Amino acid sequence: AQSVTQLGSHVSVSEGALVLLRCNYSSSVPPYLFWYVQYPNQGLQLLLKYTTGATLVKGINGFEAEFKKSETSFHLTKPSAHMSDAAEYFCAVSVDTGGFKTIFGAGTRLFVKA
Amino acid sequence: NAGVTQTPKFRVLKTGQSMTLLCAQDMNHEYMYWYRQDPGMGLRLIHYSVGEGTTAKGEVPDGYNVSRLKKQNFLLGLESAAPSQTSVYFCASSYRGRPSNQPQHFGDGTRLSIL
Repeated sequence: AQSVTQLGSHVSVSEGALVLLRCNYSSSVPPYLFWYVQYPNQGLQLLLKYTTGATLVKGINGFEAEFKKSETSFHLTKPSAHMSDAAEYFCAVSVDTGGFKTIFGAGTRLFVKA
Repeated sequence: NAGVTQTPKFRVLKTGQSMTLLCAQDMNHEYMYWYRQDPGMGLRLIHYSVGEGTTAKGEVPDGYNVSRLKKQNFLLGLESAAPSQTSVYFCASSYRGRPSNQPQHFGDGTRLSIL
C-alpha cells in the first residue's frame, strides 16, 4: 500500500526566503507524485507532477520538486517566497496497480511573513 | 469554461436529515471522485466513478451513496446525516487513460455542518 508523509503541518518563512516543504512517500512500485496547492475557500490546484523521466520537475508559480528514489522523497521548493504563496500544500502519490487510489498527505500550511 | 462546479457551497443540516450534493464538470472527463477534507487528515476518498452508470467505494464510503446517471454529473447523497459527517466535501474529475498519472481537477468544495 502507498502512503505519504508531509513533515510539518505548518511552515513559516519570510518574504524572499527559500521555501522548502517536505514530502516522503512509501510505495512498493514506481509511484506517480503530485503537489497541489489550496488557497482559502478553494479546491486543490495542481502545482506539478512527476510521472517518469526527469527527476527535477518544474511547476507553476516558480515551484519545483525533485524526485529522489533513494530517499523516497519529493520535496517542494521555491527560491524566493512571495506573500501570495501563503496557502496549504498537499503532496499526493498514486500507482498503476489496477486500483484507483490517489493518497494525499495531511497537508502543510505555509505562512509568509512580510 | 467553468471546470468543476459544486452546489451548494454551504449547508447546515440537523441530525437525521438527508441531502444531495451535486457536482458538475464540463471537461468531458471520464473519472469523477468525491472526497472529504478534515483538519489534519488530508483528503479521504468517499466514492468514485470511472464512467457513466458506474460507481465504486473509496476509503470512507459508509453513510454515503452516489450516482452517475450522466457523464458530467456526480451526486453524493447523505441519507441520514450524522455529526461525524461535518466536513468539507470536494468533487474532482480527471481524464481517461492511465488514471494514476492524471492530475485531478477540483471544485471549490461544499462546507457541510451537521448539528
